[in-house]
Amino acid sequence: GAVVSQHPSWVICKSGTSVKIECRSLDFQATTMFWYRQFPKQSLMLMATSNEGSKATYEQGVEKDKFLINHASLTLSTLTVTSAHPEDSSFYICSAPLAGIGADTQYFGPGTRLTVL
Amino acid sequence: QQQVKQSPQSLIVQKGGISIINCAYENTAFDYFPWYQQFPGKGPALLIAIRPDVSEKKEGRFTISFNKSAKQFSLHIMDSQPGDSATYFCAASIGTGANNLFFGTGTRLTVIP
Repeated sequence: GAVVSQHPSWVICKSGTSVKIECRSLDFQATTMFWYRQFPKQSLMLMATSNEGSKATYEQGVEKDKFLINHASLTLSTLTVTSAHPEDSSFYICSAPLAGIGADTQYFGPGTRLTVL
Repeated sequence: QQQVKQSPQSLIVQKGGISIINCAYENTAFDYFPWYQQFPGKGPALLIAIRPDVSEKKEGRFTISFNKSAKQFSLHIMDSQPGDSATYFCAASIGTGANNLFFGTGTRLTVIP
């Protein structure tokens, strides 16, 4: 099946710093990628839809200036958490859809655990 | 507003038993219903998915039952194994699974030997 990778798998940073998380589709192209946030023992909440070559679409309540998304190529999307604070500590997961005849599903990355001290 | 409701929140089943997880939705525009399995510290992995044109889909030990009129669908895991212990999420989307997925709240399944 299709593979989606994320880097780093975990990161610890100080409050006020910025952190960049990469999401890559390894064996297919993705014009769209999705970014989710998951708190412990909770469900995945869609944060934004990343679109190659255009601006990301953010869900209601998600600060676009705080969570910067860049879809630089057909295989790479990045999420930058700017001026991180302890409440931003969470598990961030990306997904990339593989669409086409007989294949219309989303493949998820392994996630990135962010801890802000 | 939770678009997909899932129950139970947690489930304990003995090895060899049947695990049943239920989901319900309101938006009749949903027409793709996948189930995902997630292990701690990992991203979700697609288990099985169904569309409303069939009432049941089976893949190995996993079966989805779908009731369009009741707007409900469920996952049945037959002959549950300790390795099935994970969190299971139902989801729904419009058009294709490549579109926005609306996730249920998750069910933490524990299969005891």
